Parts: sequence; structure tokens; C-alpha cells
Amino acid sequence: EVQLVESGGGLVQPGGSLRLSCAASGFTFSSYEMNWVRQAPGKGLEWVSYISSSGSTIYYADSVKGRFTISRDNAKNSLYLQMNDLRAEDTAVYYCARDSLEWYFDLWGRGTLVSVSS
Amino acid sequence: QSALTQPASVSGSPGQSITIFCTGTSSDVGGYNYVSWYQQHPGKAPKLMIYEVSNRPSGVSDRFSGSKSGHTASLTISGLQAEDEADYYCSSYTSTGTLVVFGGGTELTVL
Repeated sequence: EVQLVESGGGLVQPGGSLRLSCAASGFTFSSYEMNWVRQAPGKGLEWVSYISSSGSTIYYADSVKGRFTISRDNAKNSLYLQMNDLRAEDTAVYYCARDSLEWYFDLWGRGTLVSVSS
Repeated sequence: QSALTQPASVSGSPGQSITIFCTGTSSDVGGYNYVSWYQQHPGKAPKLMIYEVSNRPSGVSDRFSGSKSGHTASLTISGLQAEDEADYYCSSYTSTGTLVVFGGGTELTVL
């Protein structure tokens, strides 16, 4: 089955860190660009970060630049998001999403909830 | 405030057609044919419904169609069904540096 499964979310204090993972299966992970997209409770979707299939090209939203790091391990069919210096406004469900090469996301995971609160 | 503007809500009766509009700028919707639409049911992940303005992925009903005129894209759902009740988001590539922007979402109610 073609799927993405996120993990690693949880409750963290402001200023803390978390590392999210996304396990891919059912397709050739190394051939696809990947993204992280988040959704704050009751709010809309917000693109967070992009990584090319090889990992050589990376982009971030201004809201997370300098605090979040995207990476991937094609041998393990996995995508990661290292989140540092977390803020209350980072509270959201984080989705990993497969990129089509034409800036649309054709496969999404179920998401993992990150809550930043003291 | 979202980069792309959508109405907060729309509604229609079963069998009717509705259209959701998504307004951007020349840096996104107006400048590129990289507009996509996503359907999201409560508590679920988004699902791609339309890509590159008007293309439907395999498995998506042909009741869903997309188009664009100038800086405004639109999603039309014909023959409304109860299962279409969901939130809908438009998205576009943008040259502003953010790369991808979303609309604020539109809640569709099937009366």
C-alpha cells in the first residue's frame, strides 16, 4: 500500500525541541521530492519545508527558517523534521506530503500533533 | 491572513452545483498554472482533487472541475452529494520565496 506515516509529535515546552519522522512505503521514495505542511488547530494549511529527492535542495517558510531542519534518508525511506526553539505558534498537526514536481501534493500522511505549551 | 483568498463558507443542496473561488496575485495564481485544490474531511488528511488548474487525479470524480481566469482560480462541484461536505483549500506555487501558498479554506455545507 502506498502510504506515509508520521510520528514523533507530542507535548513540548516553549524553547524545546522535537524530531518528526515520516515513513514512506509502497513507492520509490528516493524518486520523489517531499514536503512538510502544518495545520494549527481550527486553522488552514501552511507549507513548512521542501526537500528534493536527493536532499541537495531545501527550502523553508520564513516562519520556521533558522529553527527547523528538514532531512531525509533514502536508504530508510524516511523524511525528518528537526524542530528547535519551539514556540506556541508552532502548535499544529504536521503532515508529510509527497511532491509531484509541479508544486502539488499527491499523497499525504495522517499527520502528527505537536503541542507547544508550558 | 492567508496568501490566497477564499470564501469562508459556501453551501448548496444535493444535486446542485457550487463554485469556490480562490484569488491571488500575479506572483502566484495569476502567474503560473500550478494551482491545486484539496478536500479535507474533519480529522482527516487533505486529499488532492485538482492539480495544475484543471487536471483530476485518477479516482477523483468528474463532478469536480477546476479553471482559472486572471488571478482567480475556481473549483466547481456539480451534482452535490452529502459526501462532498468538507473543507476545501486552494494552493499555488508562488515566486515570492514562500514557494507554496494556501488559501484560508472554504467550508462546504450540503444542505
